[in-house]
Amino acid sequence: AQRVTQPEKLLSVFKGAPVELKCNYSYSGSPELFWYVQYSRQRLQLLLRHISRESIKGFTADLNKGETSFHLKKPFAQEEDSAMYYCALRASGGYNKLIFGAGTRLAVHP
Amino acid sequence: DTAVSQTPKYLVTQMGNDKSIKCEQNLGHDTMYWYKQDSKKFLKIMFSYNNKELIINETVPNRFSPKSPDKAHLNLHINSLELGDSAVYFCASSPTGGNEKLFFGSGTQLSVL
Repeated sequence: AQRVTQPEKLLSVFKGAPVELKCNYSYSGSPELFWYVQYSRQRLQLLLRHISRESIKGFTADLNKGETSFHLKKPFAQEEDSAMYYCALRASGGYNKLIFGAGTRLAVHP
Repeated sequence: DTAVSQTPKYLVTQMGNDKSIKCEQNLGHDTMYWYKQDSKKFLKIMFSYNNKELIINETVPNRFSPKSPDKAHLNLHINSLELGDSAVYFCASSPTGGNEKLFFGSGTQLSVL
């Protein structure tokens, strides 16, 4: 079964601390993984995708097929990073069908 | 100049009623989607249309019926509303329906009393 697990509902850190938002997936094929973010009073939007291998707003995520993980990391958290973060897997089937995790709320305190 | 807009933003109604949520996108995208976010914050796809053609139809009660009059609009009609239908419904669109990012609406919070 295709599934995305985000084990933490809430991650609370202080400004300047490193952040790691965990995401594990279950998928039998070659996965395509994404991180979406929803800031307060804003829409859900794409943060980054694994195929781009990019760093957005200081965040990176590496696909680890051995551990079936796609954790989101940032070395120094900022208060403006506070948001809901959703990991998503693009399911097989030829269409843009995303399977989302339950989300992790990141709270960065001053 | 909102890209993906949903109406209404909030919908409070009684069990057994029929209601509709409307979605429009002005991005010129071919594909639109409906997602449901339950109380545990899981976002689950319900339907997707590509150029007015239904391409994704998940296991959803047939009380839910999507309608796409044109590729810029995807409405969701729900018959005989039940308590369990209470959720936030998100509309989204993408250019072609391929491996590309989704553009989300701001959501419609449906409360069934």
